[in-house]
Amino acid sequence: EIVMTQSPATLSVSPGEGATLSCRASQSFSSNLAWYQQKPGQAPRLLIYGASTRATGIPARFSGSGSGSDFTLTISSLQSEDFAVYYCQQFNNWPVMYTFGQGTKLEIK
Amino acid sequence: EVKLVQSGAEVKKPGEALKISCKGSGYSFTSYSLGWVRQMPGKGLEWMGIIYPGDSDTRYSPSFQGQVTISADKSISTAYLQWSSLKASDTAMYYCVRRGGDSSGCFDSWGQGTLVTVSS
Repeated sequence: EIVMTQSPATLSVSPGEGATLSCRASQSFSSNLAWYQQKPGQAPRLLIYGASTRATGIPARFSGSGSGSDFTLTISSLQSEDFAVYYCQQFNNWPVMYTFGQGTKLEIK
Repeated sequence: EVKLVQSGAEVKKPGEALKISCKGSGYSFTSYSLGWVRQMPGKGLEWMGIIYPGDSDTRYSPSFQGQVTISADKSISTAYLQWSSLKASDTAMYYCVRRGGDSSGCFDSWGQGTLVTVSS
């Protein structure tokens, strides 16, 4: 079973600055990696899929990169609405398994 | 517009049975898999299982196999998550998710969540 580890657990950043969130897998896999944003009291929403493709309606300041076992979500010029918890998620198609990282909380500095 | 509308919050006692639902609309219900994701209070996201309504093929996370049952009724575009005997540790928010149509395995739409509270 692949374990997804996100770092850091909490990231404090000032509005207008950039943020880099990391997601590392315990073993290498395909680029079936997604990123989600969850705000308090809300359901998560899809930001990035296929490691680097933005979902519909997601602003260009969100970008994803990486392959193998190391993936990154980069948010340039943070807006107030970007402070939230971010999760990465991996998909394996044999056996079928979807695995989330434990999350990174992005907070206002 | 794709919508996943879940049933309302539930308060149950340990040992009771429960079935919660998720109704899909705005897309071809039988063409996309629907899954369930658990979020315990203050914790992260855990994938529980997934069903393809087109043929009812169902897969479970090893952590939830035998603990819950996932089903779907394509005649009413609704998926279900059920327990036969709830435990206090089942207290959580449960999200219904639609798996995207590509091969990436992402969840492109989420229901609003159903809060299940199990307490004596």
